[in-house]
Amino acid sequence: EDKVVQSPLSLVVHEGDTVTLNCSYEVTNFRSLLWYKQEKKAPTFLFMLTSSGIEKKSGRLSSILDKKELFSILNITATQTGDSAVYLCANSGGSNYKLTFGKGTLLTVNP
Amino acid sequence: DTAVSQTPKYLVTQMGNDKSIKCEQNLGHDTMYWYKQDSKKFLKIMFSYNNKELIINETVPNRFSPKSPDKAHLNLHINSLELGDSAVYFCASSQDLGGDYTFGSGTRLTVV
Repeated sequence: EDKVVQSPLSLVVHEGDTVTLNCSYEVTNFRSLLWYKQEKKAPTFLFMLTSSGIEKKSGRLSSILDKKELFSILNITATQTGDSAVYLCANSGGSNYKLTFGKGTLLTVNP
Repeated sequence: DTAVSQTPKYLVTQMGNDKSIKCEQNLGHDTMYWYKQDSKKFLKIMFSYNNKELIINETVPNRFSPKSPDKAHLNLHINSLELGDSAVYFCASSQDLGGDYTFGSGTRLTVV
């Protein structure tokens, strides 16, 4: 069965810190690895990674995929209180490419 | 203009009742999904439709029945509601199978 494991489950940091969120996965017929940010309501899309070793970047956020080790990380530099959210990792694969989500990492950024 | 809209946003109902949640997307996407998010924020897929055809039906009680009248709409009907059905239900859509999803804002269902 497809599986996504995120760590840590929760993290508390101070503004300005850099954080690394981890995601490991098991999936047959891998298609992509995705990161989402969820604040109060709907998850919002951050990145989709399909190729190993290529970093995707958006402002202070970046992510990279290692398809050999079945692993992805999400980095946030110079964290701000607005980064406080649950960060969800998901993989797409199997026969129907459904997204399987991890349990998320709750990030709290204190002023 | 909301891309994926769900109604209602909140639903409080008694055990045993039947209720429906509606979802519409105006993105022109081919695939729509229902996910359930429990109190620990774990998102689990329930159903997926591609061009009105059911393609994913996870182990969901048959009290839950999805209906897709056209590719822009995917509704969820729940019969004989139970306490354990209380959760946030998210509708989502994507252009391709496994592509990035656009989520609706969720329906918080509380069964009392």
